[in-house]
Amino acid sequence: QSVLTQPPPASATPGQRVTLSCSGSSSNIGSNPVTWFQQLPGTAPKLVIHSDERPSGVPDRFSASRSGTSASLAISGLQSEDEADYYCATWDDSLNAWVFGGGAKLTVL
Amino acid sequence: EVQLVESGGGLVQPGGSLKLSCVGSGFTFSNFWMNWVRQAPGKGLEWVANIKHDGSQIYYVDSVKGRFTISRDNARNSVYLQMNGLRAEDTAVYYCAKGMDVRGQGITVTVSS
Repeated sequence: QSVLTQPPPASATPGQRVTLSCSGSSSNIGSNPVTWFQQLPGTAPKLVIHSDERPSGVPDRFSASRSGTSASLAISGLQSEDEADYYCATWDDSLNAWVFGGGAKLTVL
Repeated sequence: EVQLVESGGGLVQPGGSLKLSCVGSGFTFSNFWMNWVRQAPGKGLEWVANIKHDGSQIYYVDSVKGRFTISRDNARNSVYLQMNGLRAEDTAVYYCAKGMDVRGQGITVTVSS
């Protein structure tokens, strides 16, 4: 049972905009910035958003937001190479630990 | 270019020990928290431990407290994870991360008799 909750798998068609959500509590998302990871099949996870900012090399099609105890990752102009598992994570002030969501599999139809 | 290279994984029997190492390059190692994150086969990501720039603060996930020890040597641009009392549930690919930026390919730890 993950501390952060990510909804079941999502699917979308190329060119669409998709939003992946992540729900937490006041001690984690409510207090700290959220990090998003993309994990392509068989590869290491890649940080795509940290504290609402994209590292260099991550397309500007990726954006993130946070409101209250929830966060979301938006991907616009969906491409086939965006098909991956996406994880949210943040620091939890009560647990003194980084906590992850269970992951959300995005399928590009 | 930021690089992190993990080493030290392998097959170990339950109750055994392993020490993972991670060498960083392409960034000022001593300026960053370093983390270990793991992924069991077919499962999601799990944070394991982290250590502040100067080693003055260290945190662990509950499941490894008392068994794992994280340390760093800034002169060698290295972070370590000493794993004792290994259990089958510790079987995973272990990644080190600059902050939470995973740059290595990970190292496999298999705990099995």
